[in-house]
Amino acid sequence: DGGITQSPKYLFRKEGQNVTLSCEQNLNHDAMYWYRQDPGQGLRLIYYSQIVNDFQKGDIAEGYSVSREKKESFPLTVTSAQKNPTAFYLCASSILGFDQPQHFGDGTRLSIL
Amino acid sequence: KQEVTQIPAALSVPEGENLVLNCSFTDSAIYNLQWFRQDPGKGLTSLLLIQSSQREQTSGRLNASLDKSSGRSTLYIAASQPGDSATYLCAVKGIQGAQKLVFGQGTRLTINP
Repeated sequence: DGGITQSPKYLFRKEGQNVTLSCEQNLNHDAMYWYRQDPGQGLRLIYYSQIVNDFQKGDIAEGYSVSREKKESFPLTVTSAQKNPTAFYLCASSILGFDQPQHFGDGTRLSIL
Repeated sequence: KQEVTQIPAALSVPEGENLVLNCSFTDSAIYNLQWFRQDPGKGLTSLLLIQSSQREQTSGRLNASLDKSSGRSTLYIAASQPGDSATYLCAVKGIQGAQKLVFGQGTRLTINP
């Protein structure tokens, strides 16, 4: 089955540590996105990528970094500069095109130890 | 800047009722509007996508309408069931801002048996 796989499902970060969240898709989508969701709130865009080796900052990119070396993979690193990283992180992908829907993975919940 | 609002934040109704969830947005220059369902601790499942040129979309017991000029969308759920209990999110894709989705905060729906 085609879909988006996020791993791990739960992740814990120590102070001063960088952690990387994985996102893989086998939908052959060109565009991929990372969102952050805080309790009782909607999603906010962190980074997005429309093509391999290119990505753009979203609304809340500070303290995060991404790479897009392969079409199917878009990992997100939460750096130690992100002072409030506890949240639910969702990865999405879509076909390029303004009329195309986004499809989401099952998310990674990040907590601070 | 596009803002999306969903009212009410929470709704509880008895099983079998028809109900309407509301979504409003401030900038009518959109490509489309998407309704999602989110179960606790899970990712988003796309329910309906309405293009800016469309007035409504239907899928089973769900019907979504779009009035772009007034900045409003509604999600109508017919003959509600306990399995419909979830958080429902709407998101718009604006003409400004690449292919970014702007999300509302969601309506948490509980259907009581």
